[in-house]
Amino acid sequence: GAVVSQHPSRVICKSGTSVKIECRSLDFQATTMFWYRQFPKQSLMLMATSNEGSKATYEQGVEKDKFLINHASLTLSTLTVTSAHPEDSSFYICSASSRANTGELFFGEGSRLTVL
Amino acid sequence: DAKTTQPTSMDCAEGRAANLPCNHSTISGNEYVYWYRQIHSQGPQYIIHGLKNNETNEMASLIITEDRKSSTLILPHATLRDTAVYYCIVRTQGGSEKLVFGKGTKLTVNP
Repeated sequence: GAVVSQHPSRVICKSGTSVKIECRSLDFQATTMFWYRQFPKQSLMLMATSNEGSKATYEQGVEKDKFLINHASLTLSTLTVTSAHPEDSSFYICSASSRANTGELFFGEGSRLTVL
Repeated sequence: DAKTTQPTSMDCAEGRAANLPCNHSTISGNEYVYWYRQIHSQGPQYIIHGLKNNETNEMASLIITEDRKSSTLILPHATLRDTAVYYCIVRTQGGSEKLVFGKGTKLTVNP
């Protein structure tokens, strides 16, 4: 069964509104969570890394004021797309890892955002 | 940037073995080779990883060359449900170490 869950799986919003996507680790404490974005027919692009209780580290070219990441607990991280525009329409995917992780990262099912 | 090179696409007949190659000539001594796959519109799924020894699990086998500059993922009996994009990634172990995805190989399993 899934160990990382994302919600919502699909969301449609109007241009200018903000959208929040949640990523939960279901049966382990996720000290680190990663957020990715994937456009059609492209690979996953890492947006940011968030460690529990500290500010997220954003990859070059990703606007931190537009993509707000909160990792307030060991089981929940949220990505808020602020003032969304059609070009923000994408597949957003999170992954989670524990401090004791010795192997794979677990990925969520992804959230498809469509901005009209 | 991704540190691996993979063929863009491959085809395989159902029931046959699928052998997916990956070049990682600049791999460091403490970096592992990870394989993930992504079925359309889903999150990536972990397959297998290894450091230098060959590895096998219920999904696949991973063969790493002695110089560790390349590896092959083997799906012993491919099924139609194995059609996906397969990503080979090198990464150091540790909870905070990120996965950087390259373009991957689109594997199509044909009936």
